[in-house]
Amino acid sequence: AQSVTQPDIHITVSEGASLELRCNYSYGATPYLFWYVQSPGQGLQLLLKYFSGDTLVQGIKGFEAEFKRSQSSFNLRKPSVHWSDAAEYFCAVGAYDGNEKLTFGTGTRLTIIP
Amino acid sequence: DVKVTQSSRYLVKRTGEKVFLECVQDMDHENMFWYRQDPGLGLRLIYFSYDVKMKEKGDIPEGYSVSREKKERFSLILESASTNQTSMYLCASSSSRVAGVTDTQYFGPGTRLTVL
Repeated sequence: AQSVTQPDIHITVSEGASLELRCNYSYGATPYLFWYVQSPGQGLQLLLKYFSGDTLVQGIKGFEAEFKRSQSSFNLRKPSVHWSDAAEYFCAVGAYDGNEKLTFGTGTRLTIIP
Repeated sequence: DVKVTQSSRYLVKRTGEKVFLECVQDMDHENMFWYRQDPGLGLRLIYFSYDVKMKEKGDIPEGYSVSREKKERFSLILESASTNQTSMYLCASSSSRVAGVTDTQYFGPGTRLTVL
């Protein structure tokens, strides 16, 4: 079965600074990988996804993520954060094993300071 | 845009009550999911459904049941609510697998349930 680890529970960055959120997965084959964002009081919104092909994936709101098979990682990055990026971020992994389930990480809460 | 709606944003119930959480999607998606979200635990899958009248247990089905009588509607039922079921409940939907690819799940805004 697949699993996802987000090692950082809470990250604080200054507005305008760069951001990297870490995600490590465990799965025996090439996974499907997703990053979702949850603003306060809201449901989850898809930022980006990786299925195959180019390992650098561009998403909405200026985010990107890079799939690194050798490190079993799919880290999310943004070159310059805005106050509106404050939210909780979830990494998720899907599989080719005949079901539609996603396995989510425990999330990273991002705080932006002026 | 895909729209997934949930019947209530906030709900307060008493221990032992039967609770219904409703979810409706408007994109003709085959797959629907119910998760609960708790601090430090992320999202955990309760039940999912691939088609009308079909259901599959997720990772934490105990204490819950589901109903899918129509394609667009997926209900989560707490037969006898308990305090440990106080949580945020999220519904999601996705289209069927195409060429073996798991599709994106689209989420509703969530229902925060408090059981007293």
